[in-house]
Amino acid sequence: KQEVTQIPAALSVPEGENLVLNCSFTDSAIYNLQWFRQDPGKGLTSLLLIQSSQREQTSGRLNASLDKSSGRSTLYIAASQPGDSATYLCAPIRAGNKLTFGGGTRVLVKP
Amino acid sequence: EAGVTQFPSHSVIEKGQTVTLRCDPISGHDNLYWYRRVMGKEIKFLLHFVKESKQDESGMPNNRFLAERTGGTYSTLKVQPAELEDSGVYFCASSQESLMYGYTFGSGTRLTVV
Repeated sequence: KQEVTQIPAALSVPEGENLVLNCSFTDSAIYNLQWFRQDPGKGLTSLLLIQSSQREQTSGRLNASLDKSSGRSTLYIAASQPGDSATYLCAPIRAGNKLTFGGGTRVLVKP
Repeated sequence: EAGVTQFPSHSVIEKGQTVTLRCDPISGHDNLYWYRRVMGKEIKFLLHFVKESKQDESGMPNNRFLAERTGGTYSTLKVQPAELEDSGVYFCASSQESLMYGYTFGSGTRLTVV
């Protein structure tokens, strides 16, 4: 059974700082891993999708790394902005297309 | 391209009543999934359709929940009768046949049972 842990659970930083969000998962037999963002009262917005054969994926200020063998992924957000305030969710995808979510990291970027 | 659409966005019902949630996936996406988050817990898988067939319904909590996907297009999730512990946010997602493209989620339906 896949278990996903995200550390820290919450993070508060001043604007401009870089963010590092960690995700660990117990079952390394994954197809890929997806990072999502959730704003309060909203749905999940896909940020990055990393294939199991890749080690990282980048989109703008976001960079996600994947170390499948050790069961870890890290999301880096450079030069944070108040608009980055949200909950960030990590979800590895296993056999049967099933996503398993971590508890998320709640980020607050203060102006 | 239209995204995944869910409605209603909010529903407040009394314990014992019936509620039906609807999800319209992205056109052409054969895979459709239901997930839910109850208060203070992580988002959990409920079930997975491939076209009109249930591929995996291992996450359905009990037989008060019934999901259908007639014709392989939109899906409904009915809760009958609703209990207090069913309160939460129900998310629908869809994906293409290949997992290379990941999932697209809807905005969710917030269900409150009072």
